[in-house]
Amino acid sequence: QVQLQESGPGLVKPSETLSLTCAVSGYSISSGYYWGWIRQPPGKGLEWIGSIYHSGSTYYNPSLKSRVTISVDTSKNQFSLKLSSVTAADTAVYYCARALGWLTSDWYFDLWGRGTLVTVSS
Amino acid sequence: QSVLTQPPSVSGAPGQRVTISCTGSSSNIGAGYDVHWYQQLPGTAPKLLIYGNSNRPSGVPDRFSGSKSGTSASLAITGLQAEDEADYYCQSYDSSLSGSSVFGTGTKVTVL
Repeated sequence: QVQLQESGPGLVKPSETLSLTCAVSGYSISSGYYWGWIRQPPGKGLEWIGSIYHSGSTYYNPSLKSRVTISVDTSKNQFSLKLSSVTAADTAVYYCARALGWLTSDWYFDLWGRGTLVTVSS
Repeated sequence: QSVLTQPPSVSGAPGQRVTISCTGSSSNIGAGYDVHWYQQLPGTAPKLLIYGNSNRPSGVPDRFSGSKSGTSASLAITGLQAEDEADYYCQSYDSSLSGSSVFGTGTKVTVL
């Protein structure tokens, strides 16, 4: 079955760049679908960060757009998140997920990774 | 700050029916965009519960149902069970600014 697995540093210093990768198994990213990142600060709700189509088209949360880059590497069957100039407010569990829906306005997330906690601290 | 508002908590005894509201506006639910629901058990990733307002993915019990009307949507759980104790989130699309997927504020369901 299709599985997603996040990986990356669990601790990032303030003002630096957070980098995470989501490895997809059981499905070839190049075959289609949108793929996204969602985060959840400790004890708080979910926030969509952005999504990428297998072709490389990207869509970002307007509130984070200036700091976010999402990319896809079809040769490694994975996609990545970079969030620059991080602060303590970016401390969260970061999830990668598959998004279904023909249009960006139809998106819903049917498969999720287990999530990885990233702490921003010096 | 989310544009979709949910009650912080709801509770019910085993076997009872509970409903969770998700209130939006004319730029999201009221604009006709679909609403989806997720269940998040403690310490785990969210799980898709309802998509396209009222559709259940394979494997989701029919005790869970969704509906939408105007600028709001609702998730109903009938025959409440202890295993239903979790956080629940609605999700939709908001066309304001540049457009964005948005999640609700979340609701904690407690089984008494």
